[in-house]
Amino acid sequence: ERVMTQSPATLSVSPGERATLSCRASQSVSSNLAWYQQKPGQAPRLLIYDASIRATGIPARFSGGGSGTEFTLTISVLQSEDFAVYYCQQYNNWPRTFGQGTKVEIK
Amino acid sequence: QVQLQESGPGLVKPSEPLSLTCAVSDYSISSGNYWGWIRQPPGKGLEWIGSIYLSGSTYYNPSLKSRVTMSVDTSKNQFSLKLSFVTAADTAVYYCARVNQRVDTALDHIPTYFDYWGQGTLVTVSS
Repeated sequence: ERVMTQSPATLSVSPGERATLSCRASQSVSSNLAWYQQKPGQAPRLLIYDASIRATGIPARFSGGGSGTEFTLTISVLQSEDFAVYYCQQYNNWPRTFGQGTKVEIK
Repeated sequence: QVQLQESGPGLVKPSEPLSLTCAVSDYSISSGNYWGWIRQPPGKGLEWIGSIYLSGSTYYNPSLKSRVTMSVDTSKNQFSLKLSFVTAADTAVYYCARVNQRVDTALDHIPTYFDYWGQGTLVTVSS
């Protein structure tokens, strides 16, 4: 099983600042990685797939990078609606696995 | 815009089966996608349960495989999850989702990420 480890667990950022979230895979998952955003009481929303491709309707301030075992999600200019929990998910191997999440909170 | 809606009992007794249905609207299940279930215990992260194709082909999480059954009903445009012998550890919000897919070198359809999600339904296991 590919274990996905996200860091940090919590990221405190001020609106307008840049946020960089990390996701590490226990073994290579190539570029088969997605990022999701989840707000309280809501279902996760797909942000990024294939490590760097923004899903339909996702603002350009969200960008993904990396391959193999190291991945990043960057939010270039944090907006108030971006404060949420972010999860990575690998789909290179079975079972599909998620990271434990990074909470982006207002500083 | 694909819409998914979970339904089923919100309370299940220990050792009994948990059964949920996901109704899909504004999209035909017969179009040929994988469909999946993911759960999230209160205050915790996401766990993939399994994915099913139109043909009935399934992939299950090994940690749950012995207790999981998934099915598709094209006539009702819905798919279902059954989890047997539940315990308190199965208490969670259960999400259904459409699964994107890729075609591998053998021309097999491989489920990948989850592009549309239902709103989720909380299932509590308690006597």
